[in-house]
Amino acid sequence: NAGVTQTPKFQVLKTGQSMTLQCAQDMNHEYMSWYRQDPGMGLRLIHYSVGAGITDQGEVPNGYNVSRSTTEDFPLRLLSAAPSQTSVYFCASSFTAGGGTEAFFGQGTRLTVV
Amino acid sequence: AQSVTQPDIHITVSEGASLELRCNYSYGATPYLFWYVQSPGQGLQLLLKYFSGDTLVQGIKGFEAEFKRSQSSFNLRKPSVHWSDAAEYFCAVEGAAGNKLTFGGGTRVLVKP
Repeated sequence: NAGVTQTPKFQVLKTGQSMTLQCAQDMNHEYMSWYRQDPGMGLRLIHYSVGAGITDQGEVPNGYNVSRSTTEDFPLRLLSAAPSQTSVYFCASSFTAGGGTEAFFGQGTRLTVV
Repeated sequence: AQSVTQPDIHITVSEGASLELRCNYSYGATPYLFWYVQSPGQGLQLLLKYFSGDTLVQGIKGFEAEFKRSQSSFNLRKPSVHWSDAAEYFCAVEGAAGNKLTFGGGTRVLVKP
């Protein structure tokens, strides 16, 4: 089973460029999320979706857009990359079981903005 | 808003020794708590979770964690570490709206031979 697949694994962007980080899951989970990981700060939620057509902002949404047209896919768009967006990005899909949510993470995309 | 604190940024432990990682959380209601492990260059893997019931929960790879409401803690333990346990460990709490995790800053574990 593929689980959660993120592409690309590595990317270097110039300041001001735009790009889309891809995320796909094959577990039919309703919930999907994007996090960024920075040293000493753990993972912080950027955007999330509770189902196709429904998205909402997380803790650090500025500079990022998302959409959810299908259950499987949840791309993250950087409209105009800035050096502050240099980070490792993780996509997660999750389901609710026993009252709580269990999340599955992709392998991450390491983004450098120069 | 919920928050998670992992007081130890780095821990070095000898192979075969016991390990305890600390996690303190702030949350107004009954929390859903998690421990994840991240090996170098990898994504996060769920070690264990606490939703309700028995406050001592068992996870994969020989890990366990104990929920202590009075101390707002959810510490992770392993009786005897293996070199393969070298990784970064994250504690997380699930928010009231569900599906949204708040993570601590992580603890990096180094294992000495």
